[in-house]
Amino acid sequence: GAGVSQTPSNKVTEKGKYVELRCDPISGHTALYWYRQSLGQGPEFLIYFQGTGAADDSGLPNDRFFAVRPEGSVSTLKIQRTERGDSAVYLCASSSVGTATDTQYFGPGTRLTVL
Amino acid sequence: AQSVTQLGSHVSVSEGALVLLRCNYSSSVPPYLFWYVQYPNQGLQLLLKYTSAATLVKGINGFEAEFKKSETSFHLTKPSAHMSDAAEYFCAVTSYTGRRALTFGSGTRLQVQP
Repeated sequence: GAGVSQTPSNKVTEKGKYVELRCDPISGHTALYWYRQSLGQGPEFLIYFQGTGAADDSGLPNDRFFAVRPEGSVSTLKIQRTERGDSAVYLCASSSVGTATDTQYFGPGTRLTVL
Repeated sequence: AQSVTQLGSHVSVSEGALVLLRCNYSSSVPPYLFWYVQYPNQGLQLLLKYTSAATLVKGINGFEAEFKKSETSFHLTKPSAHMSDAAEYFCAVTSYTGRRALTFGSGTRLQVQP
């Protein structure tokens, strides 16, 4: 079946602009995660959804970052007033029920470049 | 708090040689441990995971890892490297009472020389 998909694959924007990154999880998966991967680093957790609600948003770096999952499926990560330091690959993952032992399936990522 | 440390950001082996990628964890509660692989221009793919059943875990593509509580380690091994194993490998941890999301190490890039 279809895996996790993310759009766009690449996004170039200017400092101060607003961007939205989209994630389509595997159908039926209730848990959805956002991570950020900087060059040469492992992915860092941003936010975790269980259904429609954010169960853990402790990884969001500041209030410029926000994410929604209104119908419990597709999620959008929103970044306001982008800064050059926001440049990274943004990864989305989904898992079946969201337990700690669940396998998380990752999308290919969105590469964000802030000029 | 949970964390993982991967010793060696780059590892180079010859084709047919043993692969050993090191991962040590820190966790105040019993951990669950994962190894993911990232091929160039592809998403992260699960190799194997330890979820408190057998301490020796076998994964895909001939990889295996052993959970050693006394050493707080979960090293990844493969008896004989193939050229197709060249990739970046990430160790990660979660726990039942901690964060559901994965906490990743900084990764180890494996090169396989012909």
